[in-house]
Amino acid sequence: GAVVSQHPSRVICKSGTSVKIECRSLDFQATTMFWYRQFPKQSLMLMATSNEGSKATYEQGVEKDKFLINHASLTLSTLTVTSAHPEDSSFYICSARPGGTGELFFGEGSRLTVL
Amino acid sequence: QQQVKQSPQSLIVQKGGISIINCAYENTAFDYFPWYQQFPGKGPALLIAIRPDVSEKKEGRFTISFNKSAKQFSLHIMDSQPGDSATYFCAASKDGNKLVFGAGTILRVKS
Repeated sequence: GAVVSQHPSRVICKSGTSVKIECRSLDFQATTMFWYRQFPKQSLMLMATSNEGSKATYEQGVEKDKFLINHASLTLSTLTVTSAHPEDSSFYICSARPGGTGELFFGEGSRLTVL
Repeated sequence: QQQVKQSPQSLIVQKGGISIINCAYENTAFDYFPWYQQFPGKGPALLIAIRPDVSEKKEGRFTISFNKSAKQFSLHIMDSQPGDSATYFCAASKDGNKLVFGAGTILRVKS
């Protein structure tokens, strides 16, 4: 199946710093990518839809100035957690679909810990 | 608003037994119903998915049963194995985008 890669897989940062997480589709182009957030032992919650060449669409309750999303190419979307705080500590997972249809492939996730 | 309700929260099954996880949805516009398997520290991986034009889909040991009138669907894992121990999520979406996930079921298969 198609491969979606995330980097870094784990990141620890100090409160107040910004952290960037990359999501790449390795063997297909993705005009749309999705960013999810998952707290321990909880479900995945959609944060935003990343659209190549245009602004991301954020779900209700997600601060767009806090979670900056950039989809600069057909294979790369980035999520930047700005001025991170301990409550931002979570597992962030991206997903994408080859050709915009069919199976949705997920990345391996990025665990953010804010001290 | 929880659009997809999943049960049970956790499940313990003996090796060789059948694992059954149930989900119910509210939005009748949903037309894609996948099940995902997630191991600790990993992203979810698609197991099997169904669309509302069929009532059942089987792939190997995994079967989805779908009841459109009741707005319910379930995952059956036949001959459950210890390696199946993981968290399982049902999900639903319209057109395959913006998946809404259930709360998850932690499955433990005892050997």
